Amino acid sequence: DAGVIQSPRHEVTEMGQEVTLRCKPISGHNSLFWYRQTMMRGLELLIYFNNNVPIDDSGMPEDRFSAKMPNASFSTLKIQPSEPRDSAVYFCASGKAWGTGGRITDTQYFGPGTRLTVL
Amino acid sequence: DAKTTQPNSMESNEEEPVHLPCNHSTISGTDYIHWYRQLPSQGPEYVIHGLTSNVNNRMASLAIAEDRKSSTLILHRATLRDAAVYYCILGGSQGNLIFGKGTKLSVKP
Repeated sequence: DAGVIQSPRHEVTEMGQEVTLRCKPISGHNSLFWYRQTMMRGLELLIYFNNNVPIDDSGMPEDRFSAKMPNASFSTLKIQPSEPRDSAVYFCASGKAWGTGGRITDTQYFGPGTRLTVL
Repeated sequence: DAKTTQPNSMESNEEEPVHLPCNHSTISGTDYIHWYRQLPSQGPEYVIHGLTSNVNNRMASLAIAEDRKSSTLILHRATLRDAAVYYCILGGSQGNLIFGKGTKLSVKP
């Protein structure tokens, strides 16, 4: 298994530009998570999906951020317009959900991350 | 979400056991205790998780206090590759994990 795949691995863009980060979860997993990591704030959960449906997006910083999961094998996180304070490493993780309503994921498998720099 | 308290950093010598503590005094009955670690320049990696009983796997052991208000991750023989930030996390009915600052483990040769 290739694990969680993220692209691009590095992205440098200018303030105001649109940025799209991509994630391919592990085949067979039905939950997907987007995180952001900075030195100041640590690892923050932005949004998570269960069976392609967004369950909790309360961690999304503001309306400039949006995430989609059109099918079980692909998700995107879009920032439009981007700002320098969005510079961070963005991780995608996937897992198998179970429990009442399928909301518990025992183990999350993380991708290598996308390092975003907004100038 | 219930919170955890971990030391900011710990040091260990190579090939010696390491005990990483975690306090979670506000844990609820349905919260699982998860441990993840993050090696430099990599994404977090699952280590182990448990609910009430002690757990063992190929990576580590998890010792859970009887009242579940604390737990300890045990690395039986630390190697240089175990140098990482270790996160103790409580996962509950919402299915999401809230990462804290973790413990930065340094391993000396």
